[in-house]
Amino acid sequence: DSGVTQTPKHLITATGQRVTLRCSPRSGDLSVYWYQQSLDQGLQFLIQYYNGEERAKGNILERFSAQQFPDLHSELNLSSLELGDSALYFCASSVGQGPGNTIYFGEGSWLTVV
Amino acid sequence: AQSVAQPEDQVNVAEGNPLTVKCTYSVSGNPYLFWYVQYPNRGLQFLLKYITGDNLVKGSYGFEAEFNKSQTSFHLKKPSALVSDSALYFCAVRGNTNAGKSTFGDGTTLTVKP
Repeated sequence: DSGVTQTPKHLITATGQRVTLRCSPRSGDLSVYWYQQSLDQGLQFLIQYYNGEERAKGNILERFSAQQFPDLHSELNLSSLELGDSALYFCASSVGQGPGNTIYFGEGSWLTVV
Repeated sequence: AQSVAQPEDQVNVAEGNPLTVKCTYSVSGNPYLFWYVQYPNRGLQFLLKYITGDNLVKGSYGFEAEFNKSQTSFHLKKPSALVSDSALYFCAVRGNTNAGKSTFGDGTTLTVKP
């Protein structure tokens, strides 16, 4: 158990809908990351927050948004969902934001868009 | 732009034999290199990392990795494979710029046969 908690573990929703994925980082970690894992795209970095502020952005679609709250938990919002958004979404956390910090992953949220 | 290549989609070894999972990278500045393992329907688990110093890094579960700057490689090794090592292995790189972004390879499936 990495200490990173993600909810829900599984969800199924229809195209055009909106969902919110939630993440609690490891105790003491200030940095939160979101990744998307799919069969055709592999593991893709979406976005990073550090102590509530956005720090780095990857291949995140405009339909997706995220935030990190004062208590350091984070949410990833996915809207106008398409079939291609079906994937495993990981949250990860680290103590700091520097490149040498080890990133610890949660178990993921499986999203199926039908 | 930074990148990671894992040239082998699949590696098969017999239990008790040494294993190597290959990784090469490209990044501006000093590389920060990581290996993760993913078991089916689970999150990524951290194995080891290279930041600086000794080129041979030791990690969890008897794994080690050798950093070779001239060949820009960071191969994962284990002297004696176990059936329980069978999993998907990811190599990742981060650089000093855009430090939040980790770039992962496509993964290598390791199968250890009894």
